[in-house]
Amino acid sequence: GAGVSQSPRYKVAKRGQDVALRCDPISGHVSLFWYQQALGQGPEFLTYFQNEAQLDKSGLPSDRFFAERPEGSVSTLKIQRTQQEDSAVYLCASSLEQTQNTEAFFGQGTRLTVV
Amino acid sequence: AQSVAQPEDQVNVAEGNPLTVKCTYSVSGNPYLFWYVQYPNRGLQFLLKYITGDNLVKGSYGFEAEFNKSQTSFHLKKPSALVSDSALYFCAVRDPYTGGGNKLTFGTGTQLKVEL
Repeated sequence: GAGVSQSPRYKVAKRGQDVALRCDPISGHVSLFWYQQALGQGPEFLTYFQNEAQLDKSGLPSDRFFAERPEGSVSTLKIQRTQQEDSAVYLCASSLEQTQNTEAFFGQGTRLTVV
Repeated sequence: AQSVAQPEDQVNVAEGNPLTVKCTYSVSGNPYLFWYVQYPNRGLQFLLKYITGDNLVKGSYGFEAEFNKSQTSFHLKKPSALVSDSALYFCAVRDPYTGGGNKLTFGTGTQLKVEL
């Protein structure tokens, strides 16, 4: 596709519900990242995939957060038993190569509101 | 650990005047530095990056940034601001040498407001 696509754009969840956020990266991009952006803050790293391998999940805030990219393209970020502090914009980004000098392209994000 | 500071929450400038958005960083080795812009309800858009070489890098929409190793800074500049430049700007750093992996560490953002 033309860019990174995320769905849904907006999600309202009741506290305790499970949610799944989808990311379609740019076709052919090897690297995929998830970030969390709280209101008024910069994006915070959650996790990184190189193809289907999750190489870094050091930013996941708790074991309620889980991400997968089973076929090396589409990725899903799942949050179990959502809490109010999970309310944020979740950004997905992809880059063509795994080299660290390559810029990442971001999707529009999914705004999650937990009520 | 890598970190980025953007000391100004907001920068106001008149259209046609030069603009500067400040960024300082902290890494153990030589950094890879990036600037992104975020418009309302839009994702982050890449502006420019410094990897190595010439300290002055040019990017999209007439923006440029100067890498200063001694001051650990990477300030974003534009010679003549436009009202359409009004947006939220993020500086980010990647440390390739100390196991930081591929993750970007972002600053807290600077809101740029360009007025007529």
